[in-house]
Amino acid sequence: SAVISQKPSRDICQRGTSLTIQCQVDSQVTMMFWYRQQPGQSLTLIATANQGSEATYESGFVIDKFPISRPNLTFSTLTVSNLSPEDSSIYLCSVEDLDRGTSYNSPLHFGNGTRLTVT
Amino acid sequence: DAKTTQPPSMDCAEGRAANLPCNHSTISGNEYVYWYRQIHSQGPQYIIHGLKNNETNEMASLIITEDRKSSTLILPHATLRDTAVYYCIVKPSAGANSKLTFGKGITLSVRP
Repeated sequence: SAVISQKPSRDICQRGTSLTIQCQVDSQVTMMFWYRQQPGQSLTLIATANQGSEATYESGFVIDKFPISRPNLTFSTLTVSNLSPEDSSIYLCSVEDLDRGTSYNSPLHFGNGTRLTVT
Repeated sequence: DAKTTQPPSMDCAEGRAANLPCNHSTISGNEYVYWYRQIHSQGPQYIIHGLKNNETNEMASLIITEDRKSSTLILPHATLRDTAVYYCIVKPSAGANSKLTFGKGITLSVRP
């Protein structure tokens, strides 16, 4: 399975600032996915990031708040802008695990996430 | 909107089999059943997936009913390290869209 490295693993940020989270994969992948997990909750998909095109955002998430970059097939960043305490969550990057299936049924492989606390 | 329903929690004794149920009564013909688990402070871990046949791998077995409206994840010999939230997810195979929609999952507690 692909090895996913997320940086930072955790951070404490002040209200009104921004945090950029990096996701590095050790192999080339077509699609990368960004999820959010609020305290005590399940995971919610923020957006899908394809290399060479604009990210596709899920309902309730907008580019101005969560800009995403995907400069190549092994790297992506998620920025959480204008932070408020409600943004305190774990943010997770994931990619398809093509070793365990085809592009139509491959499972996702997740990093360990970035734990963000906004004060 | 999760398409699955799972009990909120269950427990089992260490060394015994853990059978985790999942209902997916509205599953479509081209949707796979996936199971993931999330151990505290870690990202979700893929366990197994299947379409209609039962599946087994080094981690678990997946039993899907003939009508595909429910499934059971079986951990044959649960250990304390299997304590986690287990998510049952259905996902269409059509297109190259691997979008997963997580529900609340079931919290499995393995007791000594």
